[in-house]
Amino acid sequence: ILNVEQSPQSLHVQEGDSTNFTCSFPSSNFYALHWYRWETAKSPEALFVMTLNGDEKKKGRISATLNTKEGYSYLYIKGSQPEDSATYLCAVSGSARQLTFGSGTQLTVLP
Amino acid sequence: ETGVTQTPRHLVMGMTNKKSLKCEQHLGHNAMYWYKQSAKKPLELMFVYNFKEQTENNSVPSRFSPECPNSSHLFLHLHTLQPEDSALYLCASSQGNGQGYEQYFGPGTRLTVT
Repeated sequence: ILNVEQSPQSLHVQEGDSTNFTCSFPSSNFYALHWYRWETAKSPEALFVMTLNGDEKKKGRISATLNTKEGYSYLYIKGSQPEDSATYLCAVSGSARQLTFGSGTQLTVLP
Repeated sequence: ETGVTQTPRHLVMGMTNKKSLKCEQHLGHNAMYWYKQSAKKPLELMFVYNFKEQTENNSVPSRFSPECPNSSHLFLHLHTLQPEDSALYLCASSQGNGQGYEQYFGPGTRLTVT
């Protein structure tokens, strides 16, 4: 079982601020990393799937980077908006093939 | 709308009851998953089906019995559950059964065992 750590556990930012959070994982036997956004009372929604060291992906104001050698990924949100408030989940797969999820970072954007 | 539906959305059952959770995906995917999220814990994989065949059972107790009659439907049959089984049960699907495929989730069934 992989150990996937996300930090911080929660954070509050002001509207317009940029923010980032971290997902850490064992660098050995890495295959893929997923980021999901989970709004309250909704379904988790896929943001990115990354597999290669140095991968960078972007969707609107949200971007993510991947460092498989040191075992971490960053998720960035530029100019946070209240609608960005959600729990952001990181999930990693390795030799066991299936995803192991972290506990998530709960983001609250204050208007 | 993610294309994955789950019913019921909420379920309260006693420990001696038998109930079933249903998941349906309208995305033409080949793989389907059951996850469990207990309070203050990460999402935990329970079962994986690929082309209707079970490919993963993550040491789930036999009181949880999955069924996948076709690639679009997935059931989780519940019997003689314990109060600690109270949790949010999420279904997901993906195009293939591989780590590189993003998963599409349903809204979940909130289960309470009394």
